[in-house]
Amino acid sequence: DTGVSQDPRHKITKRGQNVTFRCDPISEHNRLYWYRQTLGQGPEFLTYFQNEAQLEKSRLLSDRFSAERPKGSFSTLEIQRTEQGDSAMYLCASSLEEASPLHFGNGTRLTVT
Amino acid sequence: SQQGEEDPQALSIQEGENATMNCSYKTSINNLQWYRQNSGRGLVHLILIRSNEREKHSGRLRVTLDTSKKSSSLLITASRAADTASYFCAPNTGGFKTIFGAGTRLFVKA
Repeated sequence: DTGVSQDPRHKITKRGQNVTFRCDPISEHNRLYWYRQTLGQGPEFLTYFQNEAQLEKSRLLSDRFSAERPKGSFSTLEIQRTEQGDSAMYLCASSLEEASPLHFGNGTRLTVT
Repeated sequence: SQQGEEDPQALSIQEGENATMNCSYKTSINNLQWYRQNSGRGLVHLILIRSNEREKHSGRLRVTLDTSKKSSSLLITASRAADTASYFCAPNTGGFKTIFGAGTRLFVKA
């Protein structure tokens, strides 16, 4: 069990650019989640995958956000035409079963200048 | 799922003291989980307590659950500087979504 890994750890980009983050969950976990967290707040749910199927997407996720999980393994989160309000920590988590504990990666900190 | 509300928002104590954080929620739950987050890191699962359990221990952590009051508490005994972190509760009503509140920020002074 190598844990959930996220790449990159930090990303600085200029407004209007596209960015993509990657998450590698724990290998036997078929459930994968993306959260966004701003300073002083708790993580906000963005989206959920069970295997390769994206089963829910938060209303927080505008059309500029897209997430994929091809073949039910790693996942990517892409933000197009970034805005300063997108600056946040993006956290990925995985779990084995519904309602079981989430295992989080250490996040990707995005700064949009 | 529903969001838990942690109280207090912030807590500052001396090393060696006990820290108590509370969580309230609104509807019946299957279980309730507590997580810790160190600055700049992801959340780490601490403990899960099921709805039919009243108390659970893990090392220096003690969690209680009162389903009649829809509340839970997390007690950290003999706190250490390394316990400085944010703590979140996550009540689970079934379903896949875990929703987090704003958490309790604990600062342990050495």
